[in-house]
Amino acid sequence: DVKVTQSSRYLVKRTGEKVFLECVQDMDHENMFWYRQDPGLGLRLIYFSYDVKMKEKGDIPEGYSVSREKKERFSLILESASTNQTSMYLCASSPWTSGGVGDTQYFGPGTRLTVL
Amino acid sequence: AQKVTQAQTEISVVEKEDVTLDCVYETRDTTYYLFWYKQPPSGELVFLIRRNSFDEQNEISGRYSWNFQKSTSSFNFTITASQVVDSAVYFCALSFPDYNNNDMRFGAGTRLTVKP
Repeated sequence: DVKVTQSSRYLVKRTGEKVFLECVQDMDHENMFWYRQDPGLGLRLIYFSYDVKMKEKGDIPEGYSVSREKKERFSLILESASTNQTSMYLCASSPWTSGGVGDTQYFGPGTRLTVL
Repeated sequence: AQKVTQAQTEISVVEKEDVTLDCVYETRDTTYYLFWYKQPPSGELVFLIRRNSFDEQNEISGRYSWNFQKSTSSFNFTITASQVVDSAVYFCALSFPDYNNNDMRFGAGTRLTVKP
């Protein structure tokens, strides 16, 4: 079974703090993703990475950065947390198949971040 | 534009009732994939099904069935004889070719509550 783990289930931070969310997958997947989930908006892609040290912006990258130094680990960084970044953050991974379209993404349990 | 619409925000049924979750998608591409995910209260999105745009056969898996109709751009999900454990948020998603080859659009989700 694919296993995607996230470092924390719940996190409370203060405005202006630097926040690190960690994600690890154990299936040697090339692709990793960070989404945020908000009520009524579904999942929105923040960043994704298709290889070590490679990253691409998603739909809502502002206020976030990412790091992928090892294939199995993908970190989301909030440089200076703000209250509007209070949300559920979901990490996912997928293999890269020939053609690329339609790879199933496997999700971690999520981190519910509250910024006060 | 690539878009997924789940018009039903919340559905409530009594156990053993059948329930259909609607999903309508928009895409210009002829090659694409459609997905359904389940998000139970624990938070982790669980993959349920993936279908490609060239396969319109309906699929049944136990109490779950999916009806894919390209003519109406719909990929509806039916749960037969619902159970309390089916209570969750269900997401429909569309994956389509993009330069980054891993773009996926999620609907806003439908919260299903099954009452005993």
